[in-house]
Amino acid sequence: ILNVEQSPQSLHVQEGDSTNFTCSFPSSNFYALHWYRWETAKSPEALFVMTLNGDEKKKGRISATLNTKEGYSYLYIKGSQPEDSATYLCAFTPLAGGTSYGKLTFGQGTILTVHP
Amino acid sequence: DADVTQTPRNRITKTGKRIMLECSQTKGHDRMYWYRQDPGLGLRLIYYSFDVKDINKGEISDGYSVSRQAQAKFSLSLESAIPNQTALYFCATSDRTSADTQYFGPGTRLTVL
Repeated sequence: ILNVEQSPQSLHVQEGDSTNFTCSFPSSNFYALHWYRWETAKSPEALFVMTLNGDEKKKGRISATLNTKEGYSYLYIKGSQPEDSATYLCAFTPLAGGTSYGKLTFGQGTILTVHP
Repeated sequence: DADVTQTPRNRITKTGKRIMLECSQTKGHDRMYWYRQDPGLGLRLIYYSFDVKDINKGEISDGYSVSRQAQAKFSLSLESAIPNQTALYFCATSDRTSADTQYFGPGTRLTVL
């Protein structure tokens, strides 16, 4: 069983604060690391997928970094807004036969609440 | 129109009943998945299918079965529902060209009394 852990489990911040969360994953047989955003009463939506050590991705105020050697990824939100309130999931795809194994293992998520 | 659809969206049933949850997709993806979500436990994989003739158990397949009727359709069945199968169920497809990025349906909320 692959272990994907996220911290913290929940986070409350004020509007305008910057914040970050961590995802740790197995550092062996790495293929990809995904981040998803999951708003209440909706389904998870993909934010980023990263495949190379040192990858950095950015979408608006949200960015992510990847360290495959030590098995962690950070998600950053700059200047949090109430509409950023959601659960942020990371997911690990292992390598198999030189390509994606095809299965993702999800972390439990970080619940972010941004207060106005 | 949504790319991944699930029916029903909500279902309340009784212990021992047979239930089928259906999933259809128009994304043209070969790979489809069923997950369940329980509070505090994240998304857990029930079954996955890489094509019509390839079906595999996930980490929590006991008590469930699936059918891949076509590339676009993947159904999940609970042969004899029990209360601890009360959960939110998601169907997903994946894009192999982007490391199996998952595209989720809207979810089915199932309650077993």
